[in-house]
Amino acid sequence: NAGVTQTPKFRVLKTGQSMTLLCAQDMNHEYMYWYRQDPGMGLRLIHYSVGEGTTAKGEVPDGYNVSRLKKQNFLLGLESAAPSQTSVYFCASSSPPWGQPQHFGDGTRLSIL
Amino acid sequence: KQEVTQIPAALSVPEGENLVLNCSFTDSAIYNLQWFRQDPGKGLTSLLLIQSSQREQTSGRLNASLDKSSGRSTLYIAASQPGDSATYLCAVRGGYQKVTFGTGTKLQVIP
Repeated sequence: NAGVTQTPKFRVLKTGQSMTLLCAQDMNHEYMYWYRQDPGMGLRLIHYSVGEGTTAKGEVPDGYNVSRLKKQNFLLGLESAAPSQTSVYFCASSSPPWGQPQHFGDGTRLSIL
Repeated sequence: KQEVTQIPAALSVPEGENLVLNCSFTDSAIYNLQWFRQDPGKGLTSLLLIQSSQREQTSGRLNASLDKSSGRSTLYIAASQPGDSATYLCAVRGGYQKVTFGTGTKLQVIP
């Protein structure tokens, strides 16, 4: 029972570098989400997808891009990393309709130096 | 803009005690409210989800209530155990993708 798997689990980048975070789910969920979690703040939605080939902006999308080429995968890209993007990133998935429980991965801890 | 508050930020109780965690929200126009548990270094695990038309949900030793009109939810944990130690988050869904999370209550149950 893999559920939602995020890779990598940890990463340290230098300012200006780029990278892609991968989220994979094996529950055949239509909806997928990327959140970031920062100390003293609740999780905030970066981008989400309602199905293969679709993406939409969430609350804090600036500096990030996403792609959903396959139903089971949702990629989060940082084109030019900034220290403000140091955070823990969580991927989640759920089934329609809206309001179904979200299933979360274990997170990617990203530090930008 | 929806705001979700969880007080206290941290709580320490002796094993066996019954306890209540609080979640308050500012906009009562919600679809549902979900309680999560987060262990250190881990993702969120869904505990209970209450639809806006419901008043409470129960799962084992956990009971969550929802009072939309007053903008409050409580998570009741009966007979707490050391394994219950974790951070508990509530999340309010106000629209399709509009989920607002609280900052959580960090619970420590002392053996």
